[in-house]
Amino acid sequence: DGGITQSPKYLFRKEGQNVTLSCEQNLNHDAMYWYRQDPGQGLRLIYYSQIVNDFQKGDIAEGYSVSREKKESFPLTVTSAQKNPTAFYLCAARQGVNEQFFGPGTRLTVL
Amino acid sequence: ILNVEQSPQSLHVQEGDSTNFTCSFPSSNFYALHWYRWETAKSPEALFVMTLNGDEKKKGRISATLNTKEGYSYLYIKGSQPEDSATYLCAFPGGYQKVTFGTGTKLQVIP
Repeated sequence: DGGITQSPKYLFRKEGQNVTLSCEQNLNHDAMYWYRQDPGQGLRLIYYSQIVNDFQKGDIAEGYSVSREKKESFPLTVTSAQKNPTAFYLCAARQGVNEQFFGPGTRLTVL
Repeated sequence: ILNVEQSPQSLHVQEGDSTNFTCSFPSSNFYALHWYRWETAKSPEALFVMTLNGDEKKKGRISATLNTKEGYSYLYIKGSQPEDSATYLCAFPGGYQKVTFGTGTKLQVIP
């Protein structure tokens, strides 16, 4: 079955720590995305990548970093510079002009 | 930041009622418009990919129309059922694979 996996499902972080959220896809899609959702808000774009070894900042990239060393993997690091990291994080993949496919999400809580 | 707006933010309807929501987007540099349904505890799933002005798409009781010249799309649900309860998102793919989402319309169908 083709799909997108995200791990972990729940993540707890102490203030000042960096954490990395995993996103893996076996859809063979070129583009991958990271979104953040906060209560009462839609999906806001953090970073996206059109192809391997290339990525672009989205609308709320501050305090986050990504890498795209392999086509199937697009990890997101939430750094200590992100002032309000508690949120639900969704990863997606897309091929060409088609729709996006989403993973199950990671809920990050800062303690 | 592209301005993609959805209205209303939330909606309560009785089972059997028909309803519709709006997505407005920039009318210049149009590539496509996507509609997604996001049910609680699941990942967003694509409903429609719309690309041409005047497009009308239908899936069961749900349909959508597109007006690229004036920058809006309508999503209609005929005879709402409790299983239609979800958040409905529209997404605007721009250049370089960037995809911007609206804030969503949360629909609650009351049995």
